[in-house]
Order: sequence, then structure tokens, then C-alpha cells
Amino acid sequence: KAGVTQTPRYLIKTRGQQVTLSCSPISGHRSVSWYQQTPGQGLQFLFEYFSETQRNKGNFPGRFSGRQFSNSRSEMNVSTLELGDSALYLCASSSTLAGGETQYFGPGTRLLVL
Amino acid sequence: DAKTTQPPSMDCAEGRAANLPCNHSTISGNEYVYWYRQIHSQGPQYIIHGLKNNETNEMASLIITEDRKSSTLILPHATLRDTAVYYCIVRVTTDSWGKLQFGAGTQVVVTP
Repeated sequence: KAGVTQTPRYLIKTRGQQVTLSCSPISGHRSVSWYQQTPGQGLQFLFEYFSETQRNKGNFPGRFSGRQFSNSRSEMNVSTLELGDSALYLCASSSTLAGGETQYFGPGTRLLVL
Repeated sequence: DAKTTQPPSMDCAEGRAANLPCNHSTISGNEYVYWYRQIHSQGPQYIIHGLKNNETNEMASLIITEDRKSSTLILPHATLRDTAVYYCIVRVTTDSWGKLQFGAGTQVVVTP
């Protein structure tokens, strides 16, 4: 099976712009989670979707949003970009949310905000 | 989810076994122990997970103490490509991945 894919892999934006990142989970996986990783804060949970429903949300401002489509693909959007949004954005998928299930990560999208 | 404690760094000689400890003294009965690793600037890679019993796969072995308060990840024959940050996390068997705490992990450096 192909792994989790994320597009684009690299992105440069300027402050005030908005950005949309895409994630395609492993075939058959219905759960998609998004994380932000920065050198100072480490890996932080953004939100999680299962069967098109947001199941959980991390402690991020409303500028960060996401959605999941019927084919389980997911997008996340960041509006009004700030310099501090520069980070590696990671997507992870699993087939279910059950205990003992495994979550697999994609390669990430590296976003640089100038 | 319970918090975990790992040493910040450790070195290992190539070809030798690497034993990575993790303390999770507040773990509850329905929490799994997961190990991931992250090579610089790549997405975390799943290694192994377990609940009570020791587990082994093609990458590593996971030894969980009988009281489940600590565990050890064993890389049997470390190679230079095993240089990475290793994360030990625990996860409640609930209906969400959302509250995982990766922490700072252990930076493992494998030397020739």
C-alpha cells in the first residue's frame, strides 16, 4: 500500500496570506490527524477527523481549520499567516480510532512564512 | 493520557544493541505504549506498540515491565540509519488520537 502523502512538500508564503495543505491517507484509512512541529514547541496536535467529522481539536487559534472529504482525503487551511506559523505540518492516518490501532505519518509539508 | 519520561540523548555503537528506556509510571490499564522515531525533518515513523506483553517485529523489540510502569525499546543491531529522535508515548484506548503527547524524545546517535 502507498503511504500517507502530503502536498505540497515545501511552501513559502508571506504574512497575511492564507495556505491550504493537502493530505491523502493510506487507502482504507478513515482517520486523519494533523500536527504542527516547530523547534521550540515540538509536535503539537492540531485536529483529527474521522469519517468527515472533526473528533478532536488542539489548542490553536481559529485561523487554523480543516476538513475531510468523503474519500478520507483531508485539507487544512491557515488564514492570515503569521511568522510563527512557519513549521513542519504533519498528517497521520489510521484505519480506526480503536486502541491498539497504529497511526502512520506522512512526510510533512514544510511551510516558511516571510 | 499518561506522560512519559525519556533520557534526552544516548549514543550507541554501530552493530551493537541499543536499549532505549521509557518511564510511564502513571500508565493506566487501558493505555498502550507506542514507539515512533523521527529522522531529521521527516515524518515520524511507527516502530512498535504493546499493551502488556513483550512485542517484537522486524524493526525492534518492546519489553514492558510487569507493573507496566516502564518499558524498553531494543534495536538489536543498530546501524547509522537508526540515528533519530525516538519517542515513547502512551495512548488511552479511547476513540481519538488527539491527546497524544510526543514529548522531547531521546536523540539517539549511532556511531561507526
